[in-house]
Amino acid sequence: DAGVIQSPRHEVTEMGQEVTLRCKPISGHNSLFWYRQTMMRGLELLIYFNNNVPIDDSGMPEDRFSAKMPNASFSTLKIQPSEPRDSAVYFCASTRTGSSEQYFGPGTRLTVT
Amino acid sequence: AQRVTQPEKLLSVFKGAPVELKCNYSYSGSPELFWYVQYSRQRLQLLLRHISRESIKGFTADLNKGETSFHLKKPFAQEEDSAMYYCALRVGGTYKYIFGTGTRLKVLA
Repeated sequence: DAGVIQSPRHEVTEMGQEVTLRCKPISGHNSLFWYRQTMMRGLELLIYFNNNVPIDDSGMPEDRFSAKMPNASFSTLKIQPSEPRDSAVYFCASTRTGSSEQYFGPGTRLTVT
Repeated sequence: AQRVTQPEKLLSVFKGAPVELKCNYSYSGSPELFWYVQYSRQRLQLLLRHISRESIKGFTADLNKGETSFHLKKPFAQEEDSAMYYCALRVGGTYKYIFGTGTRLKVLA
């Protein structure tokens, strides 16, 4: 099992551009999480889905951020337009019902210049 | 408010010395707490959970409800323990986790 898969691993873009991050959870896991990691704020939960439905998006910074989960094996996090302060590592994680352990992907390092 | 506080961004200790990574929480219900670890070039992974009362890689953590703390301890640090450590709180009845800001542990030879 490859675990949680994220793409791209690195993304460098210019301010104002649209950025799309992708995640494939572990098969059979029905909860999916998007986190942002920065030096100053640590690991922040942006949004999580249960059975493809967004449950809590209170951590999404602003309307520039949006996330979708069209099916059980795929999710996207989109930033439009991107800003330099969005530079961070974005993690996707998944878990299955009844388990308290989250499995993290390798992360996408986003740099907005 | 639900909050997890890790007061130290960086903790440096010598090999063989005891280690204590501090974690305090603010939560009105019965807390479910975890420690996650991220070794260099590896994924963030679960180290231990308070419910299990287990010792993993020599680390233990005791929930102290009076002090609202869940400090991570190891009696003798090893160089391979160098990593980023996150304390996390699971919000009851949900899959929502609140993470602290993390503590980077450096074990010096």
